[in-house]
Amino acid sequence: DAKTTQPTSMDCAEGRAANLPCNHSTISGNEYVYWYRQIHSQGPQYIIHGLKNNETNEMASLIITEDRKSSTLILPHATLRDTAVYYCIVRVGAGNTPLVFGKGTRLSVIA
Amino acid sequence: KAGVTQTPRYLIKTRGQQVTLSCSPISGHRSVSWYQQTPGQGLQFLFEYFSETQRNKGNFPGRFSGRQFSNSRSEMNVSTLELGDSALYLCASSLAQTHQETQYFGPGTRLLVL
Repeated sequence: DAKTTQPTSMDCAEGRAANLPCNHSTISGNEYVYWYRQIHSQGPQYIIHGLKNNETNEMASLIITEDRKSSTLILPHATLRDTAVYYCIVRVGAGNTPLVFGKGTRLSVIA
Repeated sequence: KAGVTQTPRYLIKTRGQQVTLSCSPISGHRSVSWYQQTPGQGLQFLFEYFSETQRNKGNFPGRFSGRQFSNSRSEMNVSTLELGDSALYLCASSLAQTHQETQYFGPGTRLLVL
């Protein structure tokens, strides 16, 4: 079973920041937080991951709370092409453990 | 660098037949994982191969099998197809050189069983 809880759906206005929350209250010290997204019927796309520090790349920012029990994925300027299902996944850092997907958050970016 | 490629992209089979799907990982990636996505069950892990050996296995019946070749390309096979095997089959590859293994997915093969 997935170890994360995400809202089922969210809307965001085009050009605004999209903030997608994720709860992972049972996360262990050696588990990373990964974010993927899946645009309709395509393969999931890797976005970002982190352990305890905030992370930023060209796609998004990941903010992890100090107690690591929750995180927020931030898309700074959402576009219509960001409409997708976003998955937050907790995964052990050592070894190549499988990704356990939950139901994710369906983000709709509205013009 | 080219991404993960999967062939064929679409496939229609009938119940009882078998099917083989192919996955070519990103160049240099040595681990290949397979996932099944259905509307009812979501994305579920099938198995993972590294150095031609199955390293992890999900909770699927023995009708689902796979293999990996020396060039890291992988195939998965489903025998005696059932209607419920209709799904998007996804392949993901990773470097398998460090403790952190980000997986990168291919576009998937959509299988329809009639």
